[in-house]
Amino acid sequence: GAVVSQHPSWVICKSGTSVKIECRSLDFQATTMFWYRQFPKQSLMLMATSNEGSKATYEQGVEKDKFLINHASLTLSTLTVTSAHPEDSSFYICSAPPPPLYNEQFFGPGTRLTVL
Amino acid sequence: AQSVTQLGSHVSVSEGALVLLRCNYSSSVPPYLFWYVQYPNQGLQLLLKYTTGATLVKGINGFEAEFKKSETSFHLTKPSAHMSDAAEYFCAVSDQAGNEKLTFGTGTRLTIIP
Repeated sequence: GAVVSQHPSWVICKSGTSVKIECRSLDFQATTMFWYRQFPKQSLMLMATSNEGSKATYEQGVEKDKFLINHASLTLSTLTVTSAHPEDSSFYICSAPPPPLYNEQFFGPGTRLTVL
Repeated sequence: AQSVTQLGSHVSVSEGALVLLRCNYSSSVPPYLFWYVQYPNQGLQLLLKYTTGATLVKGINGFEAEFKKSETSFHLTKPSAHMSDAAEYFCAVSDQAGNEKLTFGTGTRLTIIP
């Protein structure tokens, strides 16, 4: 099936620094990608929808200046956590809608962010 | 607004026993319902989904789920658990058949006892 990758798989950073997470569709093009956040023992919460060639659409309550999303190409979307703080520590997961001939959304393996 | 409730954050069953993972949803429009499985360090994998038609849906790895509108439920079952079924399971709902913008439950960790 189609594959979505994320890099890095885990990252530890100091408070106040920025962290970039990449989400790639490896064998198909994705004009849209979704970014989710998962707190321990909680469900995945949709943060935003990235759109190739235009601005991302953020869900209510998500700070767009805090979580910068760029959909640079048809195979790459990035999420940058700016001026990270410990409360930003979480598991971030991206996904892409079904490519042609598929009927399911494909998820990346996730990125574990720990802010010290 | 849509929401999903998964009863039981942890479920343990013996190998060969019935697996039952519960999911109840709330939706103001006809829902599209999904079950995903997540193995350690891997992405979510679709087990099965209900869109329209037959309310009993069969998925991969011997799992099935039944959509019961009157009970607003979509419980996941498997007749006989296998060790390889140990994973985290997520129920999700969407108002779009293309399963975009999913609303997830909190997940249920399934442990299989040898």
